[in-house]
Amino acid sequence: DAGITQSPRYKITETGRQVTLMCHQTWSHSYMFWYRQDLGHGLRLIYYSAAADITDKGEVPDGYVVSRSKTENFPLTLESATRSQTSVYFCASSDELAGVRSYEQYFGPGTRLTVT
Amino acid sequence: AQTVTQSQPEMSVQEAETVTLSCTYDTSESDYYLFWYKQPPSRQMILVIRQEAYKQQNATENRFSVNFQKAAKSFSLKISDSQLGDAAMYFCASAPGISGGGADGLTFGKGTHLIIQP
Repeated sequence: DAGITQSPRYKITETGRQVTLMCHQTWSHSYMFWYRQDLGHGLRLIYYSAAADITDKGEVPDGYVVSRSKTENFPLTLESATRSQTSVYFCASSDELAGVRSYEQYFGPGTRLTVT
Repeated sequence: AQTVTQSQPEMSVQEAETVTLSCTYDTSESDYYLFWYKQPPSRQMILVIRQEAYKQQNATENRFSVNFQKAAKSFSLKISDSQLGDAAMYFCASAPGISGGGADGLTFGKGTHLIIQP
């Protein structure tokens, strides 16, 4: 039972480079989310998706791109990384059963990204 | 929009004692959900307890319980018989229900660092 996985777990990249963080869930949950965690800010929502091919912006979407061609995958791309995007990134998912939304979210282990 | 405030950056409690972590929130939604998440040093986010706003009864999960005061928009977490394994960051979070669109993610507070003294 893999649940929700993220890769890589650690990444160091240079300013201006493109980097993609992967998220994969085995539960077939409808909803998926990306958060970033910074000291003093808690977790903040970057993007979310209600289903395959449906995505929407969260609180801090600038500089990020997402896609969701398959239900189980939700990659997050930093098109041109900046030092301010140094953070820990969490992917999460939540379910919907018989049309009833479950609002509790299950989180992946996180990716620590450092932009130099 | 929802906001969540945790006013205690750090709390300390003796092992086996009881501790209460505070959380206040603000929302214009009539339908919403509240959560407490635990983040140990491993960084994994673990759901501790959830509360549906329409339920008057306070949620409990073993040693964890909440005091949900809807009118005051307060949602505190009580940990009884504290154990060393309870040491972690604790985050309060809220989510809008169906009336708020339902698809938005969680809004988190900034967290409370809980220290357990042996």
